Amino acid sequence: GESVGLHLPTLSVQEGDNSIINCAYSNSASDYFIWYKQESGKGPQFIIDIRSNMDKRQGQRVTVLLNKTVKHLSLQIAATQPGDSAVYFCAEEYGNKLVFGAGTILRVKS
Amino acid sequence: NAGVMQNPRHLVRRRGQEARLRCSPMKGHSHVYWYRQLPEEGLKFMVYLQKENIIDESGMPKERFSAEFPKEGPSILRIQQVVRGDSAAYFCASSPWADYEQYFGPGTRLTVT
Repeated sequence: GESVGLHLPTLSVQEGDNSIINCAYSNSASDYFIWYKQESGKGPQFIIDIRSNMDKRQGQRVTVLLNKTVKHLSLQIAATQPGDSAVYFCAEEYGNKLVFGAGTILRVKS
Repeated sequence: NAGVMQNPRHLVRRRGQEARLRCSPMKGHSHVYWYRQLPEEGLKFMVYLQKENIIDESGMPKERFSAEFPKEGPSILRIQQVVRGDSAAYFCASSPWADYEQYFGPGTRLTVT
């Protein structure tokens, strides 16, 4: 089937700590994955993507890891800041569309 | 370069009325996607269009919902005879070509009373 799911619905971290958000996907044929950040009342904002021929990709303060063996994605945010508080979605490209997970709420405590 | 634009941002309709949601893609983008988001859920794909063509409508409800992307003007998502269950945020995304990053608009929040 086509489904992408998140294990933890809410993650609370202390400002300055690292955050790790996990995601499982079900379609082994998918070859493109994206992490989005959504703040309250706004549309999803692209954070970072990765293709299936890679297992790691780094951006500014963010890293995405892809484990195709167990169909698992993770988003790592270094030195988490209050502005990182939002809902984070992983998405899998399936055919012509993105299949989104349910989302993880990240709360940053000052 | 302006981002994806959607209007209205908020729309209130009574049951049985029609709702029209508009999406203007980013300049140079000819691929448009519509998604629906219920409260505290992820986005669900509805339809994928290119100029004057519906490419994939596998996520569209069979009745009351339609979408178009004419040669000129914005893409329109139309919901006829709205019901309370249609209340949701509707997001549009665009991309310059298929199999590429999709850029999302701010969404239209539809409330059916």
